Amino acid sequence: ILNVEQSPQSLHVQEGDSTNFTCSFPSSNFYALHWYRWETAKSPEALFVMTLNGDEKKKGRISATLNTKEGYSYLYIKGSQPEDSATYLCAFSSGGGADGLTFGKGTHLIIQP
Amino acid sequence: GAGVSQSPSNKVTEKGKDVELRCDPISGHTALYWYRQSLGQGLEFLIYFQGNSAPDKSGLPSDRFSAERTGGSVSTLTIQRTQQEDSAVYLCASSSYMMSSYEQYFGPGTRLTVT
Repeated sequence: ILNVEQSPQSLHVQEGDSTNFTCSFPSSNFYALHWYRWETAKSPEALFVMTLNGDEKKKGRISATLNTKEGYSYLYIKGSQPEDSATYLCAFSSGGGADGLTFGKGTHLIIQP
Repeated sequence: GAGVSQSPSNKVTEKGKDVELRCDPISGHTALYWYRQSLGQGLEFLIYFQGNSAPDKSGLPSDRFSAERTGGSVSTLTIQRTQQEDSAVYLCASSSYMMSSYEQYFGPGTRLTVT
């Protein structure tokens, strides 16, 4: 059974502060690690897909790192803005990568003005 | 271009009735996935299609659930004799095998409420 854990479950951050949260996943049979952002009443939006150990990806104020040997990924948000409020999901894929993703329960981020 | 679309966006049904949920993937995407999120749970994989065939049905929670995909495009997820525990948001995603990362693009979901 694949287990993807995310922490914390929820997080309140003051506008302008930086924050980060964690995703841990099985280190065996790894193919890719996906990060999604999901706002209420919208589709989950793909942020990053990472496949190589040591990968670092950046999109604007959001960045992510990957450690496949120890099975964790961090998502960082610099200078949080109210529009960053959302649930951030990580998902693990194994095998050839075409299978269904195994998701964590998400980190619910609320940015307080 | 158009993203993944799903219909209906909301469905309220009585326990015991059958429901059909529809997913229209991104044009040209060969892989299609169904997931659901029940209250307090993470997104749970249900089934995936490569073209019209479903190599992995392992996530379907019971034999009341079935899915089909015709013409390599639109997919329907059918739940027979619905139960209250079927209440969830059902999400569809599609992916192209041209992308080695198999990035999945999600639709907005169907919120199913069984009363």
